[in-house]
Amino acid sequence: GESVGLHLPTLSVQEGDNSIINCAYSNSASDYFIWYKQESGKGPQFIIDIRSNMDKRQGQRVTVLLNKTVKHLSLQIAATQPGDSAVYFCAEEGPREYGNKLVFGAGTILRVKS
Amino acid sequence: DTEVTQTPKHLVMGMTNKKSLKCEQHMGHRAMYWYKQKAKKPPELMFVYSYEKLSINESVPSRFSPECPNSSLLNLHLHALQPEDSALYLCASSLRTSGTYEQYFGPGTRLTVT
Repeated sequence: GESVGLHLPTLSVQEGDNSIINCAYSNSASDYFIWYKQESGKGPQFIIDIRSNMDKRQGQRVTVLLNKTVKHLSLQIAATQPGDSAVYFCAEEGPREYGNKLVFGAGTILRVKS
Repeated sequence: DTEVTQTPKHLVMGMTNKKSLKCEQHMGHRAMYWYKQKAKKPPELMFVYSYEKLSINESVPSRFSPECPNSSLLNLHLHALQPEDSALYLCASSLRTSGTYEQYFGPGTRLTVT
């Protein structure tokens, strides 16, 4: 079936720097994308989402960019903090004929160095 | 209240035991989900309930039996599990299954099958 993948399994950044986590998706029919953060021992926590009719969306310290031409999604975290250390998953919602199922990418570990 | 609760947090069971996992939400969501997550892997969808009816079963073995007694509760009954079923079991809910609705995740139940 269709899948969502990530380019970098682990990302180490210095505290205060900006982080960029990338994700490639393969289903051009997907119309909704979400970034989740999962800390050790916890369930995934919603960070930000974007619909396919947009190419950028900003939240507090986070920005998601969607490039439908190359089927690429990225999460930018400004002024990365130690509390941002976690595994980050992108997820795409498949089209209606796939039951609108959420398919997760492999995940990227973000490590913030103080 | 934007919380999904799950009990128990941890569960150890033998291969001949019968146990149940419980999930509860009071957000008025009409879609509820069970996911399985192995270590260092993304969540994998198991079941989807929409308006208390099972709408998706991702070819899950019959030793896992879901139940949705009402719109706020979701159970996962376990029987004759195998050691490879050891994982984090996550429950999630969303307003609806169709459309771009964020899924809220619970903290999960860490299951160990001995």
